[in-house]
Amino acid sequence: DAGVIQSPRHEVTEMGQEVTLRCKPISGHNSLFWYRQTMMRGLELLIYFNNNVPIDDSGMPEDRFSAKMPNASFSTLKIQPSEPRDSAVYFCASSFFGGEADTQYFGPGTRLTVL
Amino acid sequence: AQKITQTQPGMFVQEKEAVTLDCTYDTSDQSYGLFWYKQPSSGEMIFLIYQGSYDEQNATEGRYSLNFQKARKSANLVISASQLGDSAMYFCAMRERRDDKIIFGKGTRLHILP
Repeated sequence: DAGVIQSPRHEVTEMGQEVTLRCKPISGHNSLFWYRQTMMRGLELLIYFNNNVPIDDSGMPEDRFSAKMPNASFSTLKIQPSEPRDSAVYFCASSFFGGEADTQYFGPGTRLTVL
Repeated sequence: AQKITQTQPGMFVQEKEAVTLDCTYDTSDQSYGLFWYKQPSSGEMIFLIYQGSYDEQNATEGRYSLNFQKARKSANLVISASQLGDSAMYFCAMRERRDDKIIFGKGTRLHILP
């Protein structure tokens, strides 16, 4: 079975540009999570959805960040305008909430570099 | 207060030795779950093992086992017969039942020496 799919795997952009990261969760999972990982701050939860509804976006750093989940098989994280401090690895993870373990499975990540 | 504490930022271990990575947690919930993830240098986050708070037996998955001591709020990862490929960052994490979020520790970087 396919795991969590993220695209692109690498993104290099210039400050001020819009960046869109994409995620396809594991089929049948009903929760989706967006994380950001940097050396300085470690792994941070940005937002998570349950049944396509945003449940907690308290980790979204500022209004430049937005996330959507239009259906159970697709989510986007958008940064507009991007800034150099947004450079990080962005992970998407999914889980089945309500199961015994609700284990989150991570995608391979998108390495974002903002110049 | 930190919910997940990993006190060993880095460890060096000789190949084939057993390794114990420490993790303590803080929660007032009676029902919770504990996880360990591995992040090799390639960057992906790999789920290793899960322990439920009501599980009486320590979880095991191949060479990985979780030494769960509930009264001490400790969930150490034990890797038996370490291999060079075990060199990676290891994260301990917890989910409290009232929530779907997982809280991660800061990680321990493990180096296996040949």
